Amino acid sequence: KQEVTQIPAALSVPEGENLVLNCSFTDSAIYNLQWFRQDPGKGLTSLLLIQSSQREQTSGRLNASLDKSSGRSTLYIAASQPGDSATYLCAVRPMDNFNKFYFGSGTKLNVKP
Amino acid sequence: SQTIHQWPATLVQPVGSPLSLECTVEGTSNPNLYWYRQAAGRGLQLLFYSVGIGQISSEVPQNLSASRPQDRQFILSSKKLLLSDSGFYLCAWISGGNSPLHFGNGTRLTVT
Repeated sequence: KQEVTQIPAALSVPEGENLVLNCSFTDSAIYNLQWFRQDPGKGLTSLLLIQSSQREQTSGRLNASLDKSSGRSTLYIAASQPGDSATYLCAVRPMDNFNKFYFGSGTKLNVKP
Repeated sequence: SQTIHQWPATLVQPVGSPLSLECTVEGTSNPNLYWYRQAAGRGLQLLFYSVGIGQISSEVPQNLSASRPQDRQFILSSKKLLLSDSGFYLCAWISGGNSPLHFGNGTRLTVT
């Protein structure tokens, strides 16, 4: 069974810092990997989707990379802002069960002004 | 454009009462639909998913059930709520293999 881990569980950084969030998964046979943001009391907002054939995806200050062979993905946030404070989750979609998604427990990010 | 509606946003129900949460998707057809529960400080737990009308797959044996009476409507129900049913319930959809998964705004359920 696929297991997805996000370390650290929480991260606090000063505004302006570049940071990296980590996501690791145990089974490299994935269809895609998706990064989400969740604000308190809200649903999940999709940030980036990386197909298994891709190495990275970029959207604004966000860059997500994927290394299937090592079972890792990173979300790079450039020039962090207080508005980036939220919980970031990753999810993998396995090749052997197309209808399921396996989520990490998330990294809670606090960007201090 | 494609949107997802989930209601109500918050709900407080006594133990033993029934439950009905509704989710509808607009702007797409034949989506896969999902119900997740997120307990405080914990990850997302998949409860049910549906690949078509009347097709429901259950992931967790419990006193909850799901139905999909229409292509873009997904309903989560219970005949008698338990205290342990409290949590944040999220509906999600996906339209195709290479598409991202999208979530609704969630329902905060408190069983008292």
